[in-house]
Amino acid sequence: GDSVTQMEGPVTLSEEACLTINCTYTATGYPSLFWYVQYPGEGLQLLLKATKADDKGSNKGFEATYRKETTSFHLEKGSVQVSDSAVYFCALSEGDTGRRALTFGSGTRLQVQP
Amino acid sequence: ETGVTQSPTHLIKTRGQQVTLRCSSQSGHNTVSWYQQALGQGPQFIFQYYREEENGRGNFPPRFSGLQFPNYSSELNVNALELDDSALYLCASSGGQGATRSGYTFGSGTRLTVV
Repeated sequence: GDSVTQMEGPVTLSEEACLTINCTYTATGYPSLFWYVQYPGEGLQLLLKATKADDKGSNKGFEATYRKETTSFHLEKGSVQVSDSAVYFCALSEGDTGRRALTFGSGTRLQVQP
Repeated sequence: ETGVTQSPTHLIKTRGQQVTLRCSSQSGHNTVSWYQQALGQGPQFIFQYYREEENGRGNFPPRFSGLQFPNYSSELNVNALELDDSALYLCASSGGQGATRSGYTFGSGTRLTVV
């Protein structure tokens, strides 16, 4: 079955440091890939997505590129802020229509210190 | 547009009891999915409802059941609660004329504690 593996946290960075959170996936088909963010006490918010190989999703300074050859979708940001502190989930879906289940990784907690 | 609303926000139940969680989908969305998120884990897919019928199910036992109503709102019912059912239950709506490029809109969840 489908699965998502992401690096364990917590990841602790100083403000303005560079961020990379690794994510690799296993899928039987050609999935869409997502990064979701969860702030304390809240549900999930979509951060960015990519639906085909070499697509780059971007939002709020975060980027991730769909790499089919390495089955990866690493999340990057050039300069993190304290407000970026949250849990980040990599996820995949075998479709983009919202009719297929999402498969999530276990999450990576990011802590940004002033 | 309204987002996804879940109720209640927190709930404490005793082992063996039954619980019903509710979800109002985002305006225009016709599909509702439920996920279980244990502490420190990623969400796990429970099931999905489309046009009032179950449209997919994850690896959860039959004591987890659901309903979708004509207005596309949904309920998650769990019978014979076990301690391991303690988790955050997330509802996500999608599809229909209200569908966005993101595909899924999540609610803030119901925190269920079984004691």
